[in-house]
Amino acid sequence: NFMLTQPHSVSESPGKTVTISCTRSSGSIASNYVQWYHQRPGSAPTTVLYEDNQRPSGVPDRFSGSIDSSSNSASLTISGLKTEDEGDYYCQSSDTTNSGVFGGGTKLTVL
Amino acid sequence: QVQLVESGGGVVQPGRSLRLSCAASGFTFSSYAMHWVRQAPGKGLEWVAVIWSDGNNKFYTDSVKGRLTISRDNSKNTLYLQMNTLRAEDTSVYYCARGVEVVRATAGWYFDLWGRGTLVTVSS
Repeated sequence: NFMLTQPHSVSESPGKTVTISCTRSSGSIASNYVQWYHQRPGSAPTTVLYEDNQRPSGVPDRFSGSIDSSSNSASLTISGLKTEDEGDYYCQSSDTTNSGVFGGGTKLTVL
Repeated sequence: QVQLVESGGGVVQPGRSLRLSCAASGFTFSSYAMHWVRQAPGKGLEWVAVIWSDGNNKFYTDSVKGRLTISRDNSKNTLYLQMNTLRAEDTSVYYCARGVEVVRATAGWYFDLWGRGTLVTVSS
């Protein structure tokens, strides 16, 4: 199986833009879709992006995603940062339907 | 209302057993694969197990094989996790999650609905 590596933490000011990376250790990042989940302390995760860049209903277009085969990574970009965007963000992918793989999570601070 | 509600968590001694439940409502439970995902205190998310919609296929992460068993009762719209021979490292919040298959070059999962979780603490 493979691993997904994320930065431990990122911080940025309100109104600015932040990007969180997710690097796949082996196999192609393009071999399967990447999802992104947001988790606030004490709460369950919620989906902010699925299938690399698709937003579920209710997620604002400030959230966008992409993949880069040259760096074998996916990225979550949040523009117009708000304090409500704070929390942990996890990327997730699979290479079979026998398992799921999560990144280690990135703590976003909006200060 | 579309939701998943876990129950059955608690404090249990090492080596003992516990059964978690996840009650689904507001959608056709029997049409979806279901997963358990756990999160140790202060740690990240860890995928645990999946069961296909018909219950015929089940897969586990290596660290729980032979000790944890996923099952479902589609007539009761309920997912289960039987946890045997529990270890301290099983201490986590356990979430049930609905799985949607996503396919590009390979097939995988997207978790589109999550429960609020139930805490399992393994301690003497």
